[in-house]
Formats: sequence, C-alpha cells, structure tokens
Amino acid sequence: EPEVTQTPSHQVTQMGQEVILRCVPISNHLYFYWYRQILGQKVEFLVSFYNNEISEKSEIFDDQFSVERPDGSNFTLKIRSTKLEDSAMYFCASSGTGGESDEQYFGPGTRLTVT
Amino acid sequence: GQSLEQPSEVTAVEGAIVQINCTYQTSGFYGLSWYQQHDGGAPTFLSYNALDGLEETGRFSSFLSRSDSYGYLLLQELQMKDSASYFCAVPTGGGNKLTFGTGTQLKVEL
Repeated sequence: EPEVTQTPSHQVTQMGQEVILRCVPISNHLYFYWYRQILGQKVEFLVSFYNNEISEKSEIFDDQFSVERPDGSNFTLKIRSTKLEDSAMYFCASSGTGGESDEQYFGPGTRLTVT
Repeated sequence: GQSLEQPSEVTAVEGAIVQINCTYQTSGFYGLSWYQQHDGGAPTFLSYNALDGLEETGRFSSFLSRSDSYGYLLLQELQMKDSASYFCAVPTGGGNKLTFGTGTQLKVEL
C-alpha cells in the first residue's frame, strides 16, 4: 500500500538554527499538508499546498516557516531561526483530491527537538 | 473559528463497547472525520460522516447529528490494540485543512 514517508525521524537542533523537514507524499496525490503536534496536545494544521502554491495556512505558519516542492516527489518544510517552542512532532500528509471527504494520509512524523 | 471538544480519557475492558463523543462549533460544516493515533505514531483515518446517522465499518461505527453539532465513535469488541488516542476532525477550507479535536485517550484493560 502506498504511504507517505518523512525524513529524518528525529531532528535535534539548537535555537536559532534552520531546519528542513522532508516528506515524500503518495505519488498520485495532488494536495499536501503539514501539521504539528506538541507533546500531549492535539494535532494542529500548519499549511496546505496545491499546484505549487500555498492554498491555506494557519496563524502558526508565520514568516519563520516556508514550504517547497523542489521536484516531482519531495515536499519540504523549512523552519528558519528555530525557537524552543517549535519543538514538536511534525506530520506531513497528502490527499488525492483535497475534497472534504477525501482521506488525508499521514506520514510517520519528524520529531523536532530544539535545545 | 472552529472548536471540537472530546473527553480527555476513557477506560474500558477488553471485549466491551465504548463510545467517544465529540461536540463541535464550526463556521461552515461539511462533515466529521475520525482518526486514530497510537503513541508516537501517525494519525490514521477511520471514518467520515457527511450526513446524519450511523456509518458502520467493521468493529467501528461513527455517528453524526448535524442539528446537535455532535458526533461519536463507537468501538465494539474492544481489543488491547485499540488502546490509542482518537481525534474527531472537521475539514474546512474546502477540505484543504483539517481542524482536530482535543483528542481522547482510550485505555483498554484486561
């Protein structure tokens, strides 16, 4: 069964450093998403991406964050100048059509620890 | 804005039936989804209700009442492997965004 993959599984970085989290969505999917989950809390939407553009973003997704689809398979989340409060699990997801009933498939996540 | 409230924790014994409730307040509503998340793992899709009523998929069923802004996930014949967190979620922005509920941690005991 096709699946979303993410690398690395765990990233440790120092405050102020830049990190890039990588995702390979399911190959025939058109919509891509990033979510984050702070330990013990709910999953929070960050951004959705379609046709090489951001289609929606949350208030969390400020100028510190950016997304990119550098080639036909990868989807990346860049966090510039990381802060302690950026420590969380970051999930990438993809869906086929982006419709309301369309299932979003989540990757295994990258645990980001900012020290 | 959107808010979805769930009980924080539910405990049940193996073989029992458990119901996890979700009440929501949303601006614009298309339907209600349910996701399962094992510790440290990815959320996985369980069900989606667009219309009122009960949808059954094996041991899991999901119910929606749009007039009451309420839904629930029903798990039957509980197994130890069902111990996980369960989140209700609503798609918004035409499906471009999922807003998740507060999550319910289900503990299944022998």
